[in-house]
Amino acid sequence: SQQGEEDPQALSIQEGENATMNCSYKTSINNLQWYRQNSGRGLVHLILIRSNEREKHSGRLRVTLDTSKKSSSLLITASRAADTASYFCATVGAAGGGADGLTFGKGTHLIIQP
Amino acid sequence: EPEVTQTPSHQVTQMGQEVILRCVPISNHLYFYWYRQILGQKVEFLVSFYNNEISEKSEIFDDQFSVERPDGSNFTLKIRSTKLEDSAMYFCASRALAGRYNEQFFGPGTRLTVL
Repeated sequence: SQQGEEDPQALSIQEGENATMNCSYKTSINNLQWYRQNSGRGLVHLILIRSNEREKHSGRLRVTLDTSKKSSSLLITASRAADTASYFCATVGAAGGGADGLTFGKGTHLIIQP
Repeated sequence: EPEVTQTPSHQVTQMGQEVILRCVPISNHLYFYWYRQILGQKVEFLVSFYNNEISEKSEIFDDQFSVERPDGSNFTLKIRSTKLEDSAMYFCASRALAGRYNEQFFGPGTRLTVL
């Protein structure tokens, strides 16, 4: 099964607008994280939300988590050209022990038009 | 700001050759990971490593793969006999604290091209 599927696959908006990306997953999670990847570069951690949290903010980022729907959203407010990147959600499963490998989605490619 | 580093940034090899990808995790981190990303596809978990042993591995991490922390600073991924389908970006990551509510810090990646 696919874990962490984002939509849309691609999103193009004007600078200053808000960007919303969604992520769905299939299995029980311990936490969900969002990462950004600039073209050909490494992954930068943006925000982590625990399974018992519903909403979290960090600067211009707002993440929501609905465990009943197994979905999360990432909102970037007042977008800037520098926000152009691919955004991935990644989950850590609810299983115990040392299992904490991240399961990534396919990502949303966000383009901010100046 | 401390960061995870990886060398080389790009490795080209012939099919059947052995490659070693190197990573230097952040110095006080205790948990280490390898992921790969085939071009145009999602990032996939390969293996996690703690206390000098593998703590979790995916189905991708078969007998052709091995990891090692040879000297207390480097963390390596070895592919014994590379295949064309091993061509991908390989990311190393590390994490400081115990408990799973903590972020993993990723390196910039090594692009492996198998010819």
